[in-house]
Amino acid sequence: NAGVTQTPKFRVLKTGQSMTLLCAQDMNHEYMYWYRQDPGMGLRLIHYSVGEGTTAKGEVPDGYNVSRLKKQNFLLGLESAAPSQTSVYFCASSYIHSGRKESPLHFGNGTRLTVT
Amino acid sequence: GESVGLHLPTLSVQEGDNSIINCAYSNSASDYFIWYKQESGKGPQFIIDIRSNMDKRQGQRVTVLLNKTVKHLSLQIAATQPGDSAVYFCAETAPSMAGGFKTIFGAGTRLFVKA
Repeated sequence: NAGVTQTPKFRVLKTGQSMTLLCAQDMNHEYMYWYRQDPGMGLRLIHYSVGEGTTAKGEVPDGYNVSRLKKQNFLLGLESAAPSQTSVYFCASSYIHSGRKESPLHFGNGTRLTVT
Repeated sequence: GESVGLHLPTLSVQEGDNSIINCAYSNSASDYFIWYKQESGKGPQFIIDIRSNMDKRQGQRVTVLLNKTVKHLSLQIAATQPGDSAVYFCAETAPSMAGGFKTIFGAGTRLFVKA
């Protein structure tokens, strides 16, 4: 199993450009998440999804949109990139135990995005 | 490449010593807590977890302690090895308004192991 795969690994954008980050998981997990990681800030939750066709806002959703059209994929979109969105973006997924118990997150290896 | 910050709290320990990394969490509704390890250029990896109905859980060389009264979590690493050098994050999970659960991370602690 590949686990959680993120593409691309690196990207440089100019201010105002748009792009989509793709996350794919092959573990049949219900939940998927997008985090950003900045120096000294730890990981901050952007958006998440509790199932196919559903999305919800996290801590820092502004400037981003997401879609979960298929259970295995979770897309993060930047419609008009800004230098403040320069960061490392991590996707993660998790499953729910019977009895609705949480489980640990499985992370991809990140996408390093630079906006100039 | 380096993927974590330059201003994280840092713990420096001698190889073979025990390490203790502390974390304060914020949401009293959180009922599941996890410690992750992040090495340079990689995503965080699960180390150990604990649910709110427990106050201690042990794994291989690692122990997590939970004090719900003061909302404090700690990770103890026994006989620390050079391969333990990384950034460690605590995370708390609570039911979310959207249904399901939401996981929020702490700021992280960088562990240096001196040979």
